[in-house]
Amino acid sequence: KQEVTQIPAALSVPEGENLVLNCSFTDSAIYNLQWFRQDPGKGLTSLLLIQSSQREQTSGRLNASLDKSSGRSTLYIAASQPGDSATYLCAVRHGGTSYGKLTFGQGTILTVHP
Amino acid sequence: AAGVIQSPRHLIKEKRETATLKCYPIPRHDTVYWYQQGPGQDPQFLISFYEKMQSDKGSIPDRFSAQQFSDYHSELNMSSLELGDSALYFCASSLTETQYFGPGTRLLVL
Repeated sequence: KQEVTQIPAALSVPEGENLVLNCSFTDSAIYNLQWFRQDPGKGLTSLLLIQSSQREQTSGRLNASLDKSSGRSTLYIAASQPGDSATYLCAVRHGGTSYGKLTFGQGTILTVHP
Repeated sequence: AAGVIQSPRHLIKEKRETATLKCYPIPRHDTVYWYQQGPGQDPQFLISFYEKMQSDKGSIPDRFSAQQFSDYHSELNMSSLELGDSALYFCASSLTETQYFGPGTRLLVL
């Protein structure tokens, strides 16, 4: 059974810092990995998707990397801003099909202080 | 751009009642997923449909059922509601690899 773990559970940083969120998964037979952002009581916003054959994806200040063989992904946020404060979830899509379910980590609660 | 639509956004029910949640996927998306997110927890996969056929099933209670209709919208039917069913229920849709999530339906069972 696939298990996804995110470290740290919570992170508090001053504005302007660069930071790294970590995600690990137990079964490397994944189809892809997706990073989401969730604001309190709100829905999930997709940030980045990395295919199993890719090493990284970038969008603006966000960079996500994937090391499938070691079962790890990182989300790098550059020059953090108070508006980045949210819960960040990683999710893996199980291998074999393009319509597989996602298994989520517990998330990292990020707080960026002005 | 059109997004996933869920209705209702909020729902309050009594124990043992029945609830129906609706999901309208992004146009032309052929796959719909349902997830349940309890308070302070990560989303848990319930069930998915591809081209109106059930494609995968997760930890969905027998009291719950779902289907995808000819217009690709989906409904999650929940019967004999329990206090523990109180959660945020997400629907997501996809055409290729990326799943796009709706805003969720917040269900409170009293």
